[in-house]
Amino acid sequence: GAVVSQHPSWVICKSGTSVKIECRSLDFQATTMFWYRQFPKQSLMLMATSNEGSKATYEQGVEKDKFLINHASLTLSTLTVTSAHPEDSSFYICSARDGGAGSQPQHFGDGTRLSIL
Amino acid sequence: GQNIDQPTEMTATEGAIVQINCTYQTSGFNGLFWYQQHAGEAPTFLSYNVLDGLEEKGRFSSFLSRSKGYSYLLLKELQMKDSASYLCAVIDSNYQLIWGAGTKLIIKP
Repeated sequence: GAVVSQHPSWVICKSGTSVKIECRSLDFQATTMFWYRQFPKQSLMLMATSNEGSKATYEQGVEKDKFLINHASLTLSTLTVTSAHPEDSSFYICSARDGGAGSQPQHFGDGTRLSIL
Repeated sequence: GQNIDQPTEMTATEGAIVQINCTYQTSGFNGLFWYQQHAGEAPTFLSYNVLDGLEEKGRFSSFLSRSKGYSYLLLKELQMKDSASYLCAVIDSNYQLIWGAGTKLIIKP
């Protein structure tokens, strides 16, 4: 089956630190990857859609200079939370779609729990 | 606007059957997914429906009626480990995935 690996699982760091999260598709090529954020007891919120070799598409209200996305290869996308503050503490989850067809399911990484002190 | 409705929370008994409904109003339709999400974990893919009818996969089945904008997820022989949130998501005409807020399913012994 399609496996997505996300690293790290947990990050605890001081306010002002930049944090990089990696998302890899292990056994398939992912033209498109997605980054979500989820606060406790709330729904998944799509932050941005990452396309290999091009700029990410950000959802309304998501600061692209705050959340830098790089999708340099068909198997790797990274999200960097720049100068993180306590309000950025959340559960960040990436997903990847196997192939280019929009009707394929998204497969999720295990998520990264980010805590900013 | 685009909208997906599903109940916020449901309670069922171990060993019983539960049906989680999902209704949608979207700009076009290219399929519907059901995902399971345990607390503190990422969602996992359960099923995909694009044609009308019932898709069965073990204890879980998913049904779709495109004319009614309606789907349900049926869980049989409920086990305690089925306690989770169940997310309905629809692919619209632009192949964007529209997520429902999820239904929290509580299983009681």
